[in-house]
Amino acid sequence: DAKTTQPNSMESNEEEPVHLPCNHSTISGTDYIHWYRQLPSQGPEYVIHGLTSNVNNRMASLAIAEDRKSSTLILHRATLRDAAVYYCILRDPRPGNQFYFGTGTSLTVIP
Amino acid sequence: DSGVTQTPKHLITATGQRVTLRCSPRSGDLSVYWYQQSLDQGLQFLIQYYNGEERAKGNILERFSAQQFPDLHSELNLSSLELGDSALYFCASSARTGGAGYGYTFGSGTRLTVV
Repeated sequence: DAKTTQPNSMESNEEEPVHLPCNHSTISGTDYIHWYRQLPSQGPEYVIHGLTSNVNNRMASLAIAEDRKSSTLILHRATLRDAAVYYCILRDPRPGNQFYFGTGTSLTVIP
Repeated sequence: DSGVTQTPKHLITATGQRVTLRCSPRSGDLSVYWYQQSLDQGLQFLIQYYNGEERAKGNILERFSAQQFPDLHSELNLSSLELGDSALYFCASSARTGGAGYGYTFGSGTRLTVV
């Protein structure tokens, strides 16, 4: 399973944008970049994923570096409900490959 | 509600005992995955089933086993329990077992406490 590196923790003020970085220098050409988050006492939930191009959805945006060795999850306006552990995961989409979760980034949102 | 149902939500049992955790996948999903989350290990992949057949094994102990039934629900059996087995156990489901961009839907977990 390909490795990702994320900061252990980050803080953000409520209603401000948050940029969560992820380094994945050993990414292979077939790996997709997935982001999940885990709110306290809940299971992980899907946030966004991408391969090469930047992606937007109702929850967040994903900015992928041109060389794909890093990516950034962008929450446009942090709310208290966004306080969670955010996991950046690389996954080869071929059958038999799983999602392997690292330690993630614990995001604290300050009111 | 994610659509993935796990029961029970909490379980307290003694060392040496055996327990069964149950998971009903989201409607239409054929794949079921089990994960263990403990404080010192993070989320660890245990095992995957697809349409009743075992498809992948991760860091699952020999004391643990799982199966997926014809109605697609899955059970994780944990036996000869030790204190270190205390953890959150999550079940996830997906429509298929591969494919670009597909993701998992997780349940809310079963918290197992071994005393």
